[in-house]
Order: sequence, then C-alpha cells, then structure tokens
Amino acid sequence: EPEVTQTPSHQVTQMGQEVILRCVPISNHLYFYWYRQILGQKVEFLVSFYNNEISEKSEIFDDQFSVERPDGSNFTLKIRSTKLEDSAMYFCASSQQGATNTEAFFGQGTRLTVV
Amino acid sequence: KQEVTQIPAALSVPEGENLVLNCSFTDSAIYNLQWFRQDPGKGLTSLLLIQSSQREQTSGRLNASLDKSSGRSTLYIAASQPGDSATYLCAVVTGANNLFFGTGTRLTVIP
Repeated sequence: EPEVTQTPSHQVTQMGQEVILRCVPISNHLYFYWYRQILGQKVEFLVSFYNNEISEKSEIFDDQFSVERPDGSNFTLKIRSTKLEDSAMYFCASSQQGATNTEAFFGQGTRLTVV
Repeated sequence: KQEVTQIPAALSVPEGENLVLNCSFTDSAIYNLQWFRQDPGKGLTSLLLIQSSQREQTSGRLNASLDKSSGRSTLYIAASQPGDSATYLCAVVTGANNLFFGTGTRLTVIP
C-alpha cells in the first residue's frame, strides 16, 4: 500500500543550526503538507503546498521555515535557525486533491530535538 | 476560529466491549471530518473520512457518524481488542485547505 515516508526518524540539532526534514509523498498525490506536534499538545498545521507553491500557511510558519519540492518525489521542510521551542514531532502529509475533498495520509514523523 | 474537542481524554475498557469516542467542533461550516489513530511516538493512520454531506461511514469494526449542524462526530468501535489501544484523533477541514485537530482520546483495551 502506498505510504508517505519521512527521513530521518529522529534528528538532534544544536540551537541555531539549520535542519532539513525530508518527505516522499504518495506518488499520485498533488497536495503536500507539514504539521507538527509538540509533546503532549495538539497536532498543528504549518503549511500546505500545491503546484510548486505554498497555498496556505499558519502563524507558526514564519520566515525561519521554508518548504521546497526539489525534484519530482521529495518534499522538504527547512528550519533555518532552530530554537528550543522547535522541538516537536514533524509530520508530512499528502492528499490526491485538496483537504476539502480527499483523505490526507500522514508519514511516521520526524522527531526533532533542539538542544 | 475552529476549536475541536474530544471527550473523554482517556478511556479504559475491557476487551470485547463496544465503545464510543466523541468529537465536537465549534464551527459547523466544515467540508469533512477525518478520524485518525496514533500509536505512541508514531505517525497518524487515517481511519475514516466523512464528507460534510454524509451522515456516517463504516470500515470493519469502526463506524463514524457526523452531525454537522450540532458540531459533533462519534467514532464507534465494536468488540474492542487490545490492538485497538492507541490515541484517537479527529480533525476537521473548514475553508482553509488544512486539518484542525482535536485533543485526542487515549484508549486502553484491557485483555
């Protein structure tokens, strides 16, 4: 069964360093998303991406964050200068059409720890 | 702003029991509602998607209902098994192309 895959599963980084989280969405999906979940809190939306551009973003997704689809398969989230409060589980998701129409499928997540 | 709440926060039941998980949302103008399962430290597994025009969806032992006008959804799990132990999340899609998640219900099924 097709699935969303994320790498790495765990990442530890020092405060101020840049990190790139990687995702391979399901191959025939057109919409891609990043969400995050701080330990013990709700899953929160960060950004959605369609047709090679950001379609929606939340208040969390400030200038420190960026997304890219560098080739036909990968979808990346970059955090330019990590802060302690960026420590969270980051989930990538994809859907065939927009979230208003179709089911979103999530990856297993990348646990980011900023020290 | 959309707020999604799930009650109870935690639930323990003996194996074999039928159970209901609740989800409520403040803005009834939703496009759809999705139920997920999350195992500890893991990702989200989609269980069911209900479009706003639908009243319920079924998948195996799971049945989800939606009452959009009252801002409620329930997830019914029949004949619970220890393998059903997980956190169950509901999420709604409103005008923006993203999911608003609930607080989750942590289910423990006791053998």
